[in-house]
Amino acid sequence: EIVLTQSPATLSLSPGERATLSCRASQSVSSYLAWYQQKPGQAPRLLIYDASNRATGIPARFSGSGSGTDFTLTISSLEPEDFAVYYCQQRVIWPPLTFGGGTRVEIK
Amino acid sequence: EVQLLESGGGLVQPGGSLRLSCVASGVTFSSYVMNWVRQAPGKGPEWVSGISDSGASTYYADSVKGRFTISRDNSKNTLYLQMNSLRAEDTALYYCAKILAAGTLDMNFDSWGQGTLVTVSS
Repeated sequence: EIVLTQSPATLSLSPGERATLSCRASQSVSSYLAWYQQKPGQAPRLLIYDASNRATGIPARFSGSGSGTDFTLTISSLEPEDFAVYYCQQRVIWPPLTFGGGTRVEIK
Repeated sequence: EVQLLESGGGLVQPGGSLRLSCVASGVTFSSYVMNWVRQAPGKGPEWVSGISDSGASTYYADSVKGRFTISRDNSKNTLYLQMNSLRAEDTALYYCAKILAAGTLDMNFDSWGQGTLVTVSS
């Protein structure tokens, strides 16, 4: 099973600041990594798939990069609605599909 | 707009059974792999099971293999999860999730329901 480790666990930032979230895989996942955003009481929402492709309707301030074992989700300038929990997920080797433990982006 | 509506959750005793359903609308249901993903309170998502577009192939996490059965009825646009021998650790919000690309096994989940809560407790 591929383990995804996300860091930091919590990121405290102000609106307008840049957010950089990390996801590290226990073995190579090539580019088969997705990022999701989850707000309280809501289902996860697909932001990025295959490491760097924005899903439909996702603003350009969200970008993904990386390959192999190290990946980054960047939010270029935080909007108030971006404060949420973010998860990465791999699909290269499954079952099982696996998710990371999440990074909470909170208002400083 | 794709809509996924889960139902069937509830309170069940350890060892009991439940059957979850997910009705899809706004999508050609029979063209997509469908999945169940659960989320325990305060935890991250955990993939549970998936089924091919035709229903011919099924996939399970080790934690539920042999206890849960995924199925679908494409004539009713409905996905199912039969859960037997339930344990306390199965307590979670259960989401059905559709993948992004039709006709593929590219497991990127682009549409999710709002979930149905399963609580296993005596």
